[in-house]
Amino acid sequence: GESVGLHLPTLSVQEGDNSIINCAYSNSASDYFIWYKQESGKGPQFIIDIRSNMDKRQGQRVTVLLNKTVKHLSLQIAATQPGDSAVYFCAEKHLSGSARQLTFGSGTQLTVLP
Amino acid sequence: DAGVIQSPRHEVTEMGQEVTLRCKPISGHDYLFWYRQTMMRGLELLIYFNNNVPIDDSGMPEDRFSAKMPNASFSTLKIQPSEPRDSAVYFCASTPGVGHEKLFFGSGTQLSVL
Repeated sequence: GESVGLHLPTLSVQEGDNSIINCAYSNSASDYFIWYKQESGKGPQFIIDIRSNMDKRQGQRVTVLLNKTVKHLSLQIAATQPGDSAVYFCAEKHLSGSARQLTFGSGTQLTVLP
Repeated sequence: DAGVIQSPRHEVTEMGQEVTLRCKPISGHDYLFWYRQTMMRGLELLIYFNNNVPIDDSGMPEDRFSAKMPNASFSTLKIQPSEPRDSAVYFCASTPGVGHEKLFFGSGTQLSVL
């Protein structure tokens, strides 16, 4: 089946620097993408989402960029803080599809260095 | 709202024993999901309910797994008999309904089957 994957399994950044987490997806029919953050011992927590009719969406300190041409998604975190250390998952689906079609990537471990 | 509540947080049991995981979704959410998370397979959807009715249980690995939702505020996932390969973190999530793609996850149950 089609899958969502991540370029890097781990990422270390200095506190205060910007972080960029990448995600590749293979299902060209996907029109909805979502980023989750999972801290140790906790469940995934919604960060930001984007629909395919947009290329960019901003939240508080986070920006998601979508490049449909190359089927690539990225999450940018500005001024990374120690509390940002977590595993970040991208997920994708077709909005008209069933809930089962929400496919999660394998995750990227972000470590913020002091 | 307290969010999605799962119990127990940790469960250690011996192979062959029955295990029951519990979940209380966010009040007013019509959809409830059970996920399993492992290092090897990531987040897998086991089953989901809409208005207490199971919609898709194709992710339930075997007949040893069963899930119920007797009312809008309670669901159980049961494994009988349990096996070591069932060891994983089991998450419950809920969402308001169609058009609300963001899942609200509980903190999970860490299951260890010895």
